[in-house]
Amino acid sequence: DAKTTQPPSMDCAEGRAANLPCNHSTISGNEYVYWYRQIHSQGPQYIIHGLKNNETNEMASLIITEDRKSSTLILPHATLRDTAVYYCIVRGVYGNNRLAFGKGNQVVVIP
Amino acid sequence: NAGVTQTPKFQVLKTGQSMTLQCAQDMNHEYMSWYRQDPGMGLRLIHYSVGAGITDQGEVPNGYNVSRSTTEDFPLRLLSAAPSQTSVYFCASSRQGAVYEQFFGPGTRLTVL
Repeated sequence: DAKTTQPPSMDCAEGRAANLPCNHSTISGNEYVYWYRQIHSQGPQYIIHGLKNNETNEMASLIITEDRKSSTLILPHATLRDTAVYYCIVRGVYGNNRLAFGKGNQVVVIP
Repeated sequence: NAGVTQTPKFQVLKTGQSMTLQCAQDMNHEYMSWYRQDPGMGLRLIHYSVGAGITDQGEVPNGYNVSRSTTEDFPLRLLSAAPSQTSVYFCASSRQGAVYEQFFGPGTRLTVL
């Protein structure tokens, strides 16, 4: 499975868009990019996933570069409740049913 | 729907004691799993199940047993608790066709003295 690289932490301003980067330069053609977040003391929460097209749902947008070697999760209007650790995970369709969580990106939304 | 529920929320054990962490889901999900989370370590998969009667090991299975007699329940048993098992335990479930879109429970915080 492809390895992902995220910054260990970042700050963003409340009310502004938060752009969370993820590098997955070894991703293969049948692997999807998944994003989860974990608010302090809670269980992880699925946010969104994509293969190669940009995706949007009520929580966020996912932008995947054309070469698929990196992606950006966009929180359109960050709120204090978006402060969390965000995980970028790459999994294949025929993977082994396991989600591998790395250390993620600690995002702090600042008032 | 209650989603994924876990009991107890907190537990303190003495070394050598055994106990069962309960996990239940009411979404008729085929896939269920157990993770542990230690400070600075991220989440690590302990055991998982793709359906009733089927279980498999994750990356850190030693010291834990699981069984899946029903679709709804997936208990995690600690056979003889050790201080190294002090952790936060999360249960998760998903549809078989969307196994990586997992719903997580609120967690059980376990301390082994």
